[in-house]
Amino acid sequence: AQSVSQHNHHVILSEAASLELGCNYSYGGTVNLFWYVQYPGQHLQLLLKYFSGDPLVKGIKGFEAEFIKSKFSFNLRKPSVQWSDTAEYFCAVNARNQGGKLIFGQGTELSVKP
Amino acid sequence: GAGVSQSPSNKVTEKGKDVELRCDPISGHTALYWYRQRLGQGLEFLIYFQGNSAPDKSGLPSDRFSAERTGESVSTLTIQRTQQEDSAVYLCASRSNRTSSDTQYFGPGTRLTVL
Repeated sequence: AQSVSQHNHHVILSEAASLELGCNYSYGGTVNLFWYVQYPGQHLQLLLKYFSGDPLVKGIKGFEAEFIKSKFSFNLRKPSVQWSDTAEYFCAVNARNQGGKLIFGQGTELSVKP
Repeated sequence: GAGVSQSPSNKVTEKGKDVELRCDPISGHTALYWYRQRLGQGLEFLIYFQGNSAPDKSGLPSDRFSAERTGESVSTLTIQRTQQEDSAVYLCASRSNRTSSDTQYFGPGTRLTVL
């Protein structure tokens, strides 16, 4: 069965610090990979996704993620966080031949101190 | 255009009662998903509808859970004889019918509390 593991439950950073959130998945076939974000009081929205091509993908608000197939990883990065990045971040994967249902990690809560 | 909407936003019920949760997907989106998020956990897939195909019910946790969708419109998720462990936020998402890599757009969720 597919599974997704996010390494950090809660990350606290100061503004301008660099961010890296870990995500590993378990699945032997071809997958699509996603990072979703949930800002306080808002609903889930897509940050970025990978499905083919360049393994380094760029998303909104300066976020990027790198797919490393050999490591089954899809880590999220941002060089300099802002207070407004405070949110919960979810990594998710779906298998190409299974209708698109997403398997989510447990989420990482990011708190950025001004 | 309008996003995915869900109602009610909050539902408090007593153990043993039935509840119905509603999802209105984005117009033209043929794929619709239900997920739930229990406190401190990630989202769990429940059920998936794609057009007129038989739904993928593989994520439903018990036979107390069921869902319907009429054509490519509204979906309802029904939980019968609710239990306290059913307390969670129930999220609906819709996607266009192109590929599985297409973005799923999420609604605001229904927070269900079973007393």
